[in-house]
Amino acid sequence: AQSVSQHNHHVILSEAASLELGCNYSYGGTVNLFWYVQYPGQHLQLLLKYFSGDPLVKGIKGFEAEFIKSKFSFNLRKPSVQWSDTAEYFCAVTQGGKLIFGQGTELSVKP
Amino acid sequence: DGGITQSPKYLFRKEGQNVTLSCEQNLNHDAMYWYRQDPGQGLRLIYYSQIVNDFQKGDIAEGYSVSREKKESFPLTVTSAQKNPTAFYLCASKRTDPYNEQFFGPGTRLTVL
Repeated sequence: AQSVSQHNHHVILSEAASLELGCNYSYGGTVNLFWYVQYPGQHLQLLLKYFSGDPLVKGIKGFEAEFIKSKFSFNLRKPSVQWSDTAEYFCAVTQGGKLIFGQGTELSVKP
Repeated sequence: DGGITQSPKYLFRKEGQNVTLSCEQNLNHDAMYWYRQDPGQGLRLIYYSQIVNDFQKGDIAEGYSVSREKKESFPLTVTSAQKNPTAFYLCASKRTDPYNEQFFGPGTRLTVL
């Protein structure tokens, strides 16, 4: 069965630092990939998604992710974080109509 | 204003009582999902329904039950058989088109005392 691993449980950065959050999935083949974000007190919302085509995907708020099929990875990046990016980030992969989520990474950005 | 509503936001129950969490959507989505969110464990799928009057167990269905009598509604009952029910519960919905994402409600935090 598909599983998703997010390597970092809690990341602490200063404003303007660059961000990269790791995400790996276990099962190859055709996959749809997502990054969701949960800001404090808010709904879980979609940051970006990959279905096919260009493996470099751009999302909202300056986030991007790169799908590397050979590495089963879909890492999330942002060149310069802001205090408002403080949130929990979840990577997810589809499997048979279901979404399989990683454990989540809590990002704290210090002003 | 389309979206998913979950009520109540906070819910307290005594141990041994069944409790039903509400989830309603007006997005005209066919598929609906229930997840449980615990710190450090991400979201785990409890039940899902891809069409009215049909639903399937997810990864952690034991101690939970659902119904899907209407397209808009997918209530979740946490029964007394659920050993550790205190958690944050999220409902989501999606169009059946595979090239779409799930939309999430605001969640219900259930505390069993």
